[in-house]
Amino acid sequence: DIQMTQSPSSLSASVGDRVTITCRASQGIRNDLGWYQQKPGKAPKRLIYAASSLQSGVPSRFSGSGSGTEFTLTISSLQPEDFATYYCLQHNSYPRTFGQGTKLEIK
Amino acid sequence: QAQLVESGGGVVQPGRSLRLSCTASGFTFSSYGMHWVRQAPGKGLEWVAVIWYDGSNIQYADSVKGRFTISRDNSKNMVYLQMNSLRTEDTAVYYCAREKVAVDAFDIWGQGTMVTVSS
Repeated sequence: DIQMTQSPSSLSASVGDRVTITCRASQGIRNDLGWYQQKPGKAPKRLIYAASSLQSGVPSRFSGSGSGTEFTLTISSLQPEDFATYYCLQHNSYPRTFGQGTKLEIK
Repeated sequence: QAQLVESGGGVVQPGRSLRLSCTASGFTFSSYGMHWVRQAPGKGLEWVAVIWYDGSNIQYADSVKGRFTISRDNSKNMVYLQMNSLRTEDTAVYYCAREKVAVDAFDIWGQGTMVTVSS
């Protein structure tokens, strides 16, 4: 199984800050990775697909990068609506695996 | 627009069974693999099972193997999760999501259905 190690598990930041979340895969997954935002009581919403492609309708302050085993999600300037939990997901092999999540909180 | 709607959740005693359904609309269902993903209260996301677009390939997480069965009916645009021998640790919100192998994955999710296993 491919393990996805996501860091940090929590992050406190202010509106306007730039934040970066990282996922590391235990083996190479090409660019078969997505990033998801989840708010309480809601389903996950995809932000980034194929590691670096922005989902239609998602603000351009979100960006993704990486390939192989190292991936990052960057939010360039935090907005109040961005405070949520973020997950990475690899779909290179079965079982599909998620990172442990990063809870982004207001400082 | 593409949409997935889960149903069938509820409260069930340990050892009993429950069947979840996921109804698809707004896209060619028979072209997509379908997944079930769950989230226990206050926890992260856990992949549960997948069935390919034509039912030819089925995979399960070790935590549910031998107890859960995924199936689909392309004529009804539905995917199912039959859950037997339920345990308290199966308590979670269950989501369905779609994937087109080698093209796109987990772009559309349902709103989820809650399953509570409790005596």
